[in-house]
Amino acid sequence: AQRVTQPEKLLSVFKGAPVELKCNYSYSGSPELFWYVQYSRQRLQLLLRHISRESIKGFTADLNKGETSFHLKKPFAQEEDSAMYYCALNRVNAGNNRKLIWGLGTSLAVNP
Amino acid sequence: GAVVSQHPSRVICKSGTSVKIECRSLDFQATTMFWYRQFPKKSLMLMATSNEGSKATYEQGVEKDKFLINHASLTLSTLTVTSAHPEDSSFYICSARGLAGGSNTGELFFGEGSRLTVL
Repeated sequence: AQRVTQPEKLLSVFKGAPVELKCNYSYSGSPELFWYVQYSRQRLQLLLRHISRESIKGFTADLNKGETSFHLKKPFAQEEDSAMYYCALNRVNAGNNRKLIWGLGTSLAVNP
Repeated sequence: GAVVSQHPSRVICKSGTSVKIECRSLDFQATTMFWYRQFPKKSLMLMATSNEGSKATYEQGVEKDKFLINHASLTLSTLTVTSAHPEDSSFYICSARGLAGGSNTGELFFGEGSRLTVL
């Protein structure tokens, strides 16, 4: 079954502490993974995608196929990082139609 | 980046009436649009996939007669909640995937959402 699991509904850290938001996936094909973020009262937006291997706002995520994980990490959390984070997997079906499979989201709270 | 606009952002209606929510891609052609429902604890539920010029594909458990989706043009999709009931009160979000930048990167662009309250 194709699935994205974010085991933590809520993660609370202090400012300056490292943060890791966990994401595990189940997919038989070659995975395309994304992290989306929703700040308070704002729309969902793309944070980063694994194929870009980029760092956005200090966040990185490495695809680990052996562990089927795509954890989001930041070495020093900031208060403005407080938001809802969603991990998503791009599923491609036989007709080459793409649909994102979403995790349930992790709410990150960075305390002063 | 590409912009997706939803209207209205908030709507209150009486039970039994129908409500239409519009989703527009402002600066790109959206071949595919998605409609989501976001629940109070923030989980996202995909309701349906809307392809321009064809019938929407509904997810399991979503009533197609209750949530009518029309994608008449490459820049507009509408969701109509028919005979709304209080349990339909929710935050509805649309997203679009197109050929922004000339490539299908898999990225979705989201609208700001529409808060529906059914009295």
